[in-house]
Amino acid sequence: QKEVEQDPGPLSVPEGAIVSLNCTYSNSAFQYFMWYRQYSRKGPELLMYTYSSGNKEDGRFTAQVDKSSKYISLFIRDSQPSDSATYLCAMSAIGGEYGNKLVFGAGTILRVKS
Amino acid sequence: NAGVTQTPKFRVLKTGQSMTLLCAQDMNHEYMYWYRQDPGMGLRLIHYSVGEGTTAKGEVPDGYNVSRLKKQNFLLGLESAAPSQTSVYFCASSYSTGYRDTGELFFGEGSRLTVL
Repeated sequence: QKEVEQDPGPLSVPEGAIVSLNCTYSNSAFQYFMWYRQYSRKGPELLMYTYSSGNKEDGRFTAQVDKSSKYISLFIRDSQPSDSATYLCAMSAIGGEYGNKLVFGAGTILRVKS
Repeated sequence: NAGVTQTPKFRVLKTGQSMTLLCAQDMNHEYMYWYRQDPGMGLRLIHYSVGEGTTAKGEVPDGYNVSRLKKQNFLLGLESAAPSQTSVYFCASSYSTGYRDTGELFFGEGSRLTVL
């Protein structure tokens, strides 16, 4: 079983829809949670970062972390064709074998149709 | 603003050949990383460096070697390429531990390697 599970999609939605992207994880030591966005043929770019549990909002994007369920989500409101990309969740812990390592999900391909 | 630059962007090798991927960053970052990205597998850490002259193994280090002779450069070497090393390779850098402070790794655009 992978440490971080993420549905690879593809997820196809109409423009203006609310998108929900999710990851589950197995290691309760993870405390830092990130979402990266990767356009085709490009490197990933940081989209959202949260520490521990709770919500964080940035414009049309909201990141949620539920540590009790080991579940993180990224919501995109009023989705646009320019949001079409692969979204990768990533997480890390402090120290131990994870001292300097991020663990990534497989990535979800999102397509927003105009 | 160059950021993180990887060369070459594409390469085709025959089994057993060797090659080196070069990563250069102009942000004065301490930490540098090499990842590989395969369908359905996400990004997996190969090797990383916490400063000039240091290297450490990541999740999938076998078959690869690295060097960090200069702070701005991080080289990934394949001594004897195998078809299983066909992948897209990404270099990344961060100011400190990066992801602990802001979550931000800065990635290059990737190097696509095919081993026949």
